[in-house]
Amino acid sequence: EDQVTQSPEALRLQEGESSSLNCSYTVSGLRGLFWYRQDPGKGPEFLFTLYSAGEEKEKERLKATLTKKESFLHITAPKPEDSATYLCAVHDPMIYNQGGKLIFGQGTELSVKP
Amino acid sequence: DTGVSQDPRHKITKRGQNVTFRCDPISEHNRLYWYRQTLGQGPEFLTYFQNEAQLEKSRLLSDRFSAERPKGSFSTLEIQRTEQGDSAMYLCATRTGNGYTFGSGTRLTVV
Repeated sequence: EDQVTQSPEALRLQEGESSSLNCSYTVSGLRGLFWYRQDPGKGPEFLFTLYSAGEEKEKERLKATLTKKESFLHITAPKPEDSATYLCAVHDPMIYNQGGKLIFGQGTELSVKP
Repeated sequence: DTGVSQDPRHKITKRGQNVTFRCDPISEHNRLYWYRQTLGQGPEFLTYFQNEAQLEKSRLLSDRFSAERPKGSFSTLEIQRTEQGDSAMYLCATRTGNGYTFGSGTRLTVV
């Protein structure tokens, strides 16, 4: 069964304390791995799409990397405004060619204290 | 402004009532998706439109749920005879570039 698992479920950091979030996936043929940020009461906000192992994307203090079985979201010197839930998702390979849908992990709730 | 507008933002309804949500992409998009998200979980796919055609429905979409996209622009999601288990955030999304753009969602509470 295609699935996405994120760890840890929650992460508390001090401001400036770098760390990484993990997203493990099992799909038969990756067609894109997506990272989203979600603030309370709001919809997910797109961060990155990764397509192949070895690919990396960066945006401000965030860097996403991809291997054949997992992706990491590295957060360097986080600030309190980075506090949010970070979601990982993959394309469902069964209906990708018919328009695509996303399979999400349960998210990692990040809290950064000043 | 996320590029996808959803209305209402919040809805409180009594069990057994019908509710309808609306999704308006700001610009034209062929593909429109509905997801449901419960507390502490990631969004789960409900259904998908290619223009006005509904091409895929999740088994989560019971016969109490119906979605339409009559002119291939805005979409509505109706839930009939609501149950407490329907309480969730209902999200609409469109395919944009390399990703998907989500609306801010409609938070449904069934009391």
